[in-house]
Amino acid sequence: ELKVEQNPLFLSMQEGKNYTIYCNYSTTSDRLYWYRQDPGKSLESLFVLLSNGAVKQEGRLMASLDTKARLSTLHITAAVHDLSATYFCAVDRDDKIIFGKGTRLHILP
Amino acid sequence: DTAVSQTPKYLVTQMGNDKSIKCEQNLGHDTMYWYKQDSKKFLKIMFSYNNKELIINETVPNRFSPKSPDKAHLNLHINSLELGDSAVYFCASNGWGTSDNYGYTFGSGTRLTVV
Repeated sequence: ELKVEQNPLFLSMQEGKNYTIYCNYSTTSDRLYWYRQDPGKSLESLFVLLSNGAVKQEGRLMASLDTKARLSTLHITAAVHDLSATYFCAVDRDDKIIFGKGTRLHILP
Repeated sequence: DTAVSQTPKYLVTQMGNDKSIKCEQNLGHDTMYWYKQDSKKFLKIMFSYNNKELIINETVPNRFSPKSPDKAHLNLHINSLELGDSAVYFCASNGWGTSDNYGYTFGSGTRLTVV
């Protein structure tokens, strides 16, 4: 059974700091996703990572994928308050995506 | 234009009632899903349909019955609602295999509260 584990589950950090969210998954997968969810809102697609060594960046967020280690990271550079949200990684297998439990990120001004 | 739209956005109902949630996508995707997000924000797949055919049923109680009249629509009917059914239900569609390379697109969610 495919399992997806994120850590940390809660993260409170100061503006301007850097931090990384980790996502481990238990079996081989076709694709890995990162989503953002604001309170009461839907899931917004941030990144889709397709192959080993893939790295994608959008603004202060950068995601990477190591399929051999079954690990993806979401790195936040010089955090700003607007990045406060819950971030989910998800892994695609057998035509469905399995989500991690999410990382609730709170950035203090 | 909304890519995946769900109605209603909010639903408050009493235990024992029957209710339906509707979902429509205008992306031309073949595969649609229902996901449940509980109070702890955990997201879990419930059902998947590919071109009107059920392909995934994740041991959901049979009080939940999905229906797909065509590949653009996937509705969820819930009988005899229970307190534990309170959650946010998300519809999604999957564009892999088409010209859409963004993967999964989610609707805005339906917040169901059973009282």
